Amino acid sequence: SAVISQKPSRDICQRGTSLTIQCQVDSQVTMMFWYRQQPGQSLTLIATANQGSEATYESGFVIDKFPISRPNLTFSTLTVSNMSPEDSSIYLCSVEIGGGYGYTFGSGTRLTVV
Amino acid sequence: LAKTTQPISMDSYEGQEVNITCSHNNIATNDYITWYQQFPSQGPRFIIQGYKTKVTNEVASLFIPADRKSSTLSLPRVSLSDTAVYYCLVGGDTGFQKLVFGTGTRLLVSP
Repeated sequence: SAVISQKPSRDICQRGTSLTIQCQVDSQVTMMFWYRQQPGQSLTLIATANQGSEATYESGFVIDKFPISRPNLTFSTLTVSNMSPEDSSIYLCSVEIGGGYGYTFGSGTRLTVV
Repeated sequence: LAKTTQPISMDSYEGQEVNITCSHNNIATNDYITWYQQFPSQGPRFIIQGYKTKVTNEVASLFIPADRKSSTLSLPRVSLSDTAVYYCLVGGDTGFQKLVFGTGTRLLVSP
């Protein structure tokens, strides 16, 4: 099964700044998914990142706020831009394992905006 | 993508069997049912996946009736470490499916 390394694990940022979150997978994967989990809530999909093309964003999420890069089949970044306290959440990346084993997730990035 | 409905929370004691039921009335023919477990400060972890009848692995069992409009995750003899949020999801297993998470069930296991 795929193993995801996500970093940073947590950060405290000033409002108005940007943070880039990295996800490294130990095998090549076609799709990578980025989620947000607000405190005490379920996961919400932000976007799907396919290597070599622009990410596909879900309703309520836009590229200017959450630009995503997918330079190769093992790596992706999500940037949270121009942050406000409302962006304080856990951000997670995910990839499909397949073969009846679903998806695996990174350990998440806990972001606090002050 | 089919919507799922689960109880918000459940309480149990160590050593008991816990059954968490999920409703998915609009499940499609090619949808699989997958359960994930999430501990605080961690990403969700795959538990089990099934299409129909019963599936069992070293962690849990998944019971799916013939109409597939619901499913039940069964955790045998829970321990304190099973305290977590459990999510039921439905979707195709044909690749590249985005996962839509419902509210999940917060299970609290007490001594």
